[in-house]
Amino acid sequence: DIVMTQSPDSLAVSLGERATISCKSSQSVLYSSNNKNYLSWYQQKPGQPPKLLIYWASTRESGVPDRFSGSASGTDFTLTISSLQPEDVAVYYCQQYYSTPITFGQGTRLEIK
Amino acid sequence: EVQLVESGGGLVQPGGSLRLSCAASGISFRSYWMHWVRQAPGKGLVWVSRINSDGSSISYADSVKGRFTISRDNAKNTLYLQMNSLRAEDTAVYYCADMGFAYWGQGTLVTVSS
Repeated sequence: DIVMTQSPDSLAVSLGERATISCKSSQSVLYSSNNKNYLSWYQQKPGQPPKLLIYWASTRESGVPDRFSGSASGTDFTLTISSLQPEDVAVYYCQQYYSTPITFGQGTRLEIK
Repeated sequence: EVQLVESGGGLVQPGGSLRLSCAASGISFRSYWMHWVRQAPGKGLVWVSRINSDGSSISYADSVKGRFTISRDNAKNTLYLQMNSLRAEDTAVYYCADMGFAYWGQGTLVTVSS
């Protein structure tokens, strides 16, 4: 199974500042045939289902604000929120869908400092 | 508008069974692979199972293999999860999601307790 490890477990950032969440996969999730990383990011607020933010490691889902961005370097992935807004308080998860079992990171709780 | 609506959750004793349903609308359900994902109270997301569009290809997490069965009825636009031999550790909110995880239901709570 591919293990997804996020860091940090929790993060407090001031409004308007940058928030960065990291995710590392235990093996490559890059499909050589299409050169795509099979990696997504989700936002989950209390009492709600997860919301897809980013797929293919760096493609923003329709309707997601452009302050959210994703990047990849080998097996290291990053979700960046360029200017934190109050509504961004949530738990964030990375997920690999390269192979089954599909696996998620343990989550990163983002709060306002 | 896409809607996925789960039902069938509830309180069940250890060793018991439940059948969850996920009714889909607003998507071409018969073309979509579908997933079940669960989340124990206060915990993270765990993928449970996946089924392809015609039901001919199925995968399970090791933790549920041999106890849970995913299926679908494309004529009814409905996804199912038959859960047998339930354990306390199966207690969770169960979500259905589409093949790209872009659409999720609101979830149904399964509680396994005596």
